[in-house]
Amino acid sequence: DTAVSQTPKYLVTQMGNDKSIKCEQNLGHDTMYWYKQDSKKFLKIMFSYNNKELIINETVPNRFSPKSPDKAHLNLHINSLELGDSAVYFCASSPQGRVGEQFFGPGTRLTVL
Amino acid sequence: AQSVTQLDSQVPVFEEAPVELRCNYSSSVSVYLFWYVQYPNQGLQLLLKYLSGSTLVKGINGFEAEFNKSQTSFHLRKPSVHISDTAEYFCAVSKYSGAGSYQLTFGKGTKLSVIP
Repeated sequence: DTAVSQTPKYLVTQMGNDKSIKCEQNLGHDTMYWYKQDSKKFLKIMFSYNNKELIINETVPNRFSPKSPDKAHLNLHINSLELGDSAVYFCASSPQGRVGEQFFGPGTRLTVL
Repeated sequence: AQSVTQLDSQVPVFEEAPVELRCNYSSSVSVYLFWYVQYPNQGLQLLLKYLSGSTLVKGINGFEAEFNKSQTSFHLRKPSVHISDTAEYFCAVSKYSGAGSYQLTFGKGTKLSVIP
């Protein structure tokens, strides 16, 4: 019973392509997040949604667009991929009111060639 | 603005030896502090958290951390490490971001390598 799942696990693509990463959580949480982890393991939040509403939108190029069709899903679409987009992208979710307690997915390793 | 600084990027330690991973925070308001662990090729997992109350916090896998307000520190300790503790450890601070959700700001991580 996977709590937070992401697909695909690996994604290799060419510069300029458009790709999507999907995230689903079966924990009943209200809030979901996308993080980017670079090659030095630094983790930075990109977006947060609460019950399909955008809460956090950090300084991220507008080529990145999150979409939340329902509160169990948060997808990340990336247009015109660049070399610098290569990273591991993590989805996470958290229960309402539980300070800082987040449950992470296994990550999607994106490689842009 | 809130931030955390992890003072060591890598910590090698022999199996069954004690370990301390250091974290300092910066905040002008009340802080909520966390340690997360990332095992190789996996997502992050919560080890322990400090919200208020007792400054000594116990977490999973035998880890504990002590909140020290005067030194603005939240160091992670384990009295005897195992090979399975080899992982990346992240200190984090949380702030309210609205609609019942809390944003985490992570340190740069400390890679703990346990040597047999």
